[in-house]
Amino acid sequence: EVQLVESGGGLVQPGEFLRLSCAASGFTFNSHWMAWVRQAPGKGLEWVANIKTDGTEKYYVDSLKGRFTISRDNAKNSLYLQINSLKAEDTAVYYCTRDYDRALDVWGQGTTVTVSS
Amino acid sequence: QSALTQPASVSGSPGQSITISCTGTSSDVGRYDYVSWYQQHPGKAPKLMIFGVTNRPSGVPDRFSGSKSGNTASLTISGLQAEDEAYYYCRSYTRISSLGGWIFGGGTKVTVL
Repeated sequence: EVQLVESGGGLVQPGEFLRLSCAASGFTFNSHWMAWVRQAPGKGLEWVANIKTDGTEKYYVDSLKGRFTISRDNAKNSLYLQINSLKAEDTAVYYCTRDYDRALDVWGQGTTVTVSS
Repeated sequence: QSALTQPASVSGSPGQSITISCTGTSSDVGRYDYVSWYQQHPGKAPKLMIFGVTNRPSGVPDRFSGSKSGNTASLTISGLQAEDEAYYYCRSYTRISSLGGWIFGGGTKVTVL
């Protein structure tokens, strides 16, 4: 079964950092671009970043460049998202997704990040 | 990168057809055939319904269809069913910034009357 399982979310204080992880299974991980998408409470979807199969190309939404870093470890079938200097507006559910033919065809269940003092 | 424009809500009776529009610009929807549509039920992860403007993944009912004209893409649900009540989001590749990226629409709530 093709599956993505996120972890690493939680309650953090403003200014702290967090590293989200996504464990992939059931498909050839190193053959797919991967992406992170987030959804603030009661809001729509926002593409955050994506990464090429071998990790050599990374793209970010303009508004988040500098604080967010996407990475992957193909040996561990894992995708990561490091978020630095967390702000209240980063509060959201973060989804790990698989990119197939320029669409997001597999989604994890999401991990919730809450930034609050 | 501004969001693509979708109507906030669309409604229809069971069996009817509805269409959700997704309006962008000549830098995204109008330029690339990389439009996809996602269905999201409350509390659930989104599900891919249409990719490459018109293509349906396996398992998606053929009641769902996609199209594009100029800077506007559309998702049509024919023979509306109760389980189609959900939020729908479009997504497109964009070249507004120098490196490009992806943008979603603001989402449309579909209500089955």
